[in-house]
Parts: sequence; C-alpha cells; structure tokens
Amino acid sequence: DQQVKQNSPSLSVQEGRISILNCDYTNSMFDYFLWYKKYPAEGPTFLISISSIKDKNEDGRFTVFLNKSAKHLSLHIVPSQPGDSAVYFCAASEASNTGKLIFGQGTTLQVKP
Amino acid sequence: EAQVTQNPRYLITVTGKKLTVTCSQNMNHEYMSWYRQDPGLGLRQIYYSMNVEVTDKGDVPEGYKVSRKEKRNFPLILESPSPNQTSLYFCASSFNPPGQGYTEAFFGQGTRLTVV
Repeated sequence: DQQVKQNSPSLSVQEGRISILNCDYTNSMFDYFLWYKKYPAEGPTFLISISSIKDKNEDGRFTVFLNKSAKHLSLHIVPSQPGDSAVYFCAASEASNTGKLIFGQGTTLQVKP
Repeated sequence: EAQVTQNPRYLITVTGKKLTVTCSQNMNHEYMSWYRQDPGLGLRQIYYSMNVEVTDKGDVPEGYKVSRKEKRNFPLILESPSPNQTSLYFCASSFNPPGQGYTEAFFGQGTRLTVV
C-alpha cells in the first residue's frame, strides 16, 4: 500500500517555463514533507521541505505547496533550467521516534533548452 | 567536506556469498538508516539506528543485518544474498530522526548490488 504517490513518472518542460511536480499521500499523521532531487549515479540530495503547519514554503526558484485537506503537495520550479533535469522524490514522515521517510516513486523531470 | 560515504559503489556477487556494504558519515550524526530503491517503488527503509548500539527494523528488513558499534559507521550485512536483493542501496544520516525538529536526511552516493 503506497502511502506516498507520485502519479506522473515523467515530465518534460521547456527551459524558462514552470515545472510542477505533484505528490499525493494517504496518511493523515504525516506532519513533515520533503522533496529530494537525484541525479544519475548520485544519492538523493535535499531540496526543500514543509511542515504540516504551513501551506507554502519558498526557497529561490523552488516553492512547495501543501494542501492538507486534499492530502496533496506540489513542487514548483520557476524558471526551469536544464540543470534541473533529474528524478524528484517526494517524501513524508510522522512525528515518531522511528524517523522513517516514506518516499514516492519519483518523477523524472527533463528541462529542454 | 560533510558527507556520507558508501563502499563499494558497484558490486556483483553470487547467491549465498556473504557481503558487507559500508557506510560512514563525518557529520557526527546520531541517526543513520539504510534504504533500497527499486523501480516503481521509490526508496524503502531497511534498518535504522538512533545511536550507537541502538538499531531497529524498517519496512523491508528480511535478509539484512546491521550494526552500530561507532557513531560514524553503519554497515549493512547480507549474510546470504539472494537475487531479490538486487537493488540500489542508500545509506542516510541526520542529527535527529528525519521529521523530528524538521530535520532532513543526507544520503550517500549509493551502492548498486547485483546478485546472480
């Protein structure tokens, strides 16, 4: 049972346009959400996060939106750059001692020059 | 440079031959964990460790062992590897368990394991 889902395996956008990556979750106990970026042959690197007490968090070109009622979050990249081409993972955690991150399947973003 | 280092990066082995994947972090993190990444499934936690000598199972612990004798090291042991353990493995570390205090995890570069 996938608690975190990224239903779009891939996304292609033109350089300079907006990229929107989506993530849905089912567990209402999740209270912290993260986005990781992964290049081939590298480990995931932290990109941006949001706690459940907020509905938006912005860091430069990256903004994460959280809609708790819909159990949905999205990552906006504006403007998109070719160097943003990577696999993006959405992850969630509960405020428990285990610290386990539950990951989505990932979305491959291609930004075309 | 702050980092999580895994070795080896690539490994091909035969069924039943014991192997160890090492993981070391230089950030004095207390929390460490192992994940495996499989197509269509994202990353799933295998084992985690809150601190030295404190380890526990994640979601997919079968066929794996871990130890945490020192804060910086958290090796993953496959006593008798099988083909269904062919996967991409990641070690991760953080000061607190991810989520607590809004802490993110730092990941190693990954170990691609093939069991034939």
